[in-house]
Amino acid sequence: DAKTTQPNSMESNEEEPVHLPCNHSTISGTDYIHWYRQLPSQGPEYVIHGLTSNVNNRMASLAIAEDRKSSTLILHRATLRDAAVYYCILRSIVIGTYKYIFGTGTRLKVLA
Amino acid sequence: SAVISQKPSRDICQRGTSLTIQCQVDSQVTMMFWYRQQPGQSLTLIATANQGSEATYESGFVIDKFPISRPNLTFSTLTVSNMSPEDSSIYLCSVEATGGKTEAFFGQGTRLTVV
Repeated sequence: DAKTTQPNSMESNEEEPVHLPCNHSTISGTDYIHWYRQLPSQGPEYVIHGLTSNVNNRMASLAIAEDRKSSTLILHRATLRDAAVYYCILRSIVIGTYKYIFGTGTRLKVLA
Repeated sequence: SAVISQKPSRDICQRGTSLTIQCQVDSQVTMMFWYRQQPGQSLTLIATANQGSEATYESGFVIDKFPISRPNLTFSTLTVSNMSPEDSSIYLCSVEATGGKTEAFFGQGTRLTVV
């Protein structure tokens, strides 16, 4: 299974942008890059996903490297509510089915 | 979107016993996924459950320890058998959105403590 690697933790000041990196050097051509976040005592929630092109939504932006071996989740203005563990995940197709393989996650701390 | 309900939300169990966790989805889905999240760790995929066929288990997980049922397109159960303290974890159910959208939804999880 293709894997992702992320820094264990990052800090950001409130109202500033945050760039969360992810390496996925063994990604295959059909793998989607997903980002989820997990707040304490909750299941992961969807943030954004992409295949090859950069993506924007109301929550964040996803910048994907041209070779697809890395990506960056961008939170444009961090708030205290953005403090969570952010997971970079590959949605991989395996023998006619698919699965989501979680990375180790980055714990984001937002400072007031 | 999909709304997932898991029961129980938490339980404390004696070692050697078994616990069955239920996962109910508010829409029909082809595949359901079961994950384990050990304390302070990321999520690890246990198995994928397809309606009408046996579940597919990931390396390190076996059917005798984690039997799964998938009787219809909206429901699945995961049983943690012959529990030991090492099974203390959060167990999560997940599905992918229908309509060709590659977005997964997760239940709130079942926090299991084995004593």
